[in-house]
Amino acid sequence: NAGVTQTPKFQVLKTGQSMTLQCAQDMNHEYMSWYRQDPGMGLRLIHYSVGAGITDQGEVPNGYNVSRSTTEDFPLRLLSAAPSQTSVYFCASKGGSSTDTQYFGPGTRLTVL
Amino acid sequence: GENVEQHPSTLSVQEGDSAVIKCTYSDSASNYFPWYKQELGKRPQLIIDIRSNVGEKKDQRIAVTLNKTAKHFSLHITETQPEDSAVYFCAAKKGAAGNKLTFGGGTRVLVKP
Repeated sequence: NAGVTQTPKFQVLKTGQSMTLQCAQDMNHEYMSWYRQDPGMGLRLIHYSVGAGITDQGEVPNGYNVSRSTTEDFPLRLLSAAPSQTSVYFCASKGGSSTDTQYFGPGTRLTVL
Repeated sequence: GENVEQHPSTLSVQEGDSAVIKCTYSDSASNYFPWYKQELGKRPQLIIDIRSNVGEKKDQRIAVTLNKTAKHFSLHITETQPEDSAVYFCAAKKGAAGNKLTFGGGTRVLVKP
């Protein structure tokens, strides 16, 4: 199993541009999440999903959209990039309700100029 | 919502000594407390976790203790080694299912040889 994968690894955008960060998992996990990590800070939850077709907002959802059309994929869309969205983005997945362990992807480092 | 505070923000120890990191949480309904280790440029990796029905858990040189009454939990690393140098994050989650982790701000641990 590849586990949780993310693309791209690095991205530079100009203010106002849009883009989609990709996340996929091959563990048949129900739960998936997106976090952002700013320098010297912990991870903050952006959006999460408890299954295909179901998404909800986390702690810092503004400026981001998500969808979950399949169990495997959970893309994160930046609608109009702003410098404040410069961060490292981590996707995570977790199995069903009987387990709590979350597995993180390798991250995407995004810079918005 | 849940708030997790983590102390200290940096910790320097001599190789072979012990390291202790403390976290407090605000929501008494939280029932799952993982600890993640993040090396520079890498993804967070789960190192140990504890559920609210347990007071202590050990795994070789690392242990976690939980005080539900005081709403705090701690990570203990004994016989520290240079490879323990990393940033450590605590987190909290409530509910039997779900994947909404709230993270502390992180502790940068440096083990000096």
